[in-house]
Amino acid sequence: ILNVEQSPQSLHVQEGDSTNFTCSFPSSNFYALHWYRWETAKSPEALFVMTLNGDEKKKGRISATLNTKEGYSYLYIKGSQPEDSATYLCATQGGSEKLVFGKGTKLTVNP
Amino acid sequence: KAGVTQTPRYLIKTRGQQVTLSCSPISGHRSVSWYQQTPGQGLQFLFEYFSETQRNKGNFPGRFSGRQFSNSRSEMNVSTLELGDSALYLCASSRLDSFSGNTIYFGEGSWLTVV
Repeated sequence: ILNVEQSPQSLHVQEGDSTNFTCSFPSSNFYALHWYRWETAKSPEALFVMTLNGDEKKKGRISATLNTKEGYSYLYIKGSQPEDSATYLCATQGGSEKLVFGKGTKLTVNP
Repeated sequence: KAGVTQTPRYLIKTRGQQVTLSCSPISGHRSVSWYQQTPGQGLQFLFEYFSETQRNKGNFPGRFSGRQFSNSRSEMNVSTLELGDSALYLCASSRLDSFSGNTIYFGEGSWLTVV
């Protein structure tokens, strides 16, 4: 993997469904993995920063895991709500403050 | 605590003109980065400043430049604007008190339209 890749590109779920997205990244020169939630016309909201292989973070109904050896991270949303509708971005960080972003997963939660 | 503030939020410029965008980082944050988002593209890194020095630069032409002031506020400038420069420009800041793993906070962005 040469770039940060996210899948799926978009996702439609029903309210109450649980869902997950994938972020794949080059495992070389890795220092941190960032997840953001981005609603239209707002600033990207930082969800998690993970640095260690096996890291797991949780914030309410949202959680994330990190596997640096194989180069992937999963973001999980339990019991999706319409207000979870947003684009979820992941980004890798090497040895600087530069972030390399994937193109995001657009989540739509239907009531 | 105020977030990352960007001005102006929206602007329209004509091809060939230049534009300056401003960013005020979160108080105490010393690193400021700039990103460009165009339709169909992910967020692309432009440059990063720390203590008034550019530490990293993305793959953009020399028409894109920036600077950081002693109070950590930053500006980016695009000269000789082209239609393809129409984009959302996001500024981000971080404390940089450890080598990595800091949360990086973003502003709401400046929407630039070149006509």
